[in-house]
Amino acid sequence: AQTVTQSQPEMSVQEAETVTLSCTYDTSENNYYLFWYKQPPSRQMILVIRQEAYKQQNATENRFSVNFQKAAKSFSLKISDSQLGDTAMYFCAFMMPYSGNTPLVFGKGTRLSVIA
Amino acid sequence: DAGVTQSPTHLIKTRGQQVTLRCSPKSGHDTVSWYQQALGQGPQFIFQYYEEEERQRGNFPDRFSGHQFPNYSSELNVNALLLGDSALYLCASSFQRRPGSYEQYFGPGTRLTVT
Repeated sequence: AQTVTQSQPEMSVQEAETVTLSCTYDTSENNYYLFWYKQPPSRQMILVIRQEAYKQQNATENRFSVNFQKAAKSFSLKISDSQLGDTAMYFCAFMMPYSGNTPLVFGKGTRLSVIA
Repeated sequence: DAGVTQSPTHLIKTRGQQVTLRCSPKSGHDTVSWYQQALGQGPQFIFQYYEEEERQRGNFPDRFSGHQFPNYSSELNVNALLLGDSALYLCASSFQRRPGSYEQYFGPGTRLTVT
């Protein structure tokens, strides 16, 4: 079974600074998908960024980028120019790419606070 | 474009009772997955419905059951509620029949409190 570990329960960052959230996962598969989801106090789980394991290039979405190290099974999220609206729980998630949709496997999350 | 909607927003039930939660998928989506998120934890997969059938199931007892309707909306039923069932229940929708489509879009959740 796949597992996802987020070793940082809480983190804080000053507004406009850069922060990196860590995620490691365990799988014997070669092809899979990885995601970072954001869950603000409103509870709505929002997809931040995704990475296909077969792609060597790290995904980027505006201020969000990932450092995907497949051999190390590491998938960290970097948030640049942090904004107050980035305050939320961040979850790393894993998915197998079988035909049809497969379940997401989530880590326990990292609570990020952006301080003015 | 309507996103995923869930009802009710909050619910308080007593141990032993039964509860039904509802989910309407994002427009155009045909698959609904349900997750349970206990306080301070990441979501845990309960089950997934596609073409009105349960296709996959996580490690949850039979007290948890569901249904998908022809319009792709879905219900989650929990019987004989336990205190440990108190959690945020999230619904996620996706489009299974589109090649390469795998992203799941989440609703705002239903907060269930069992007393």
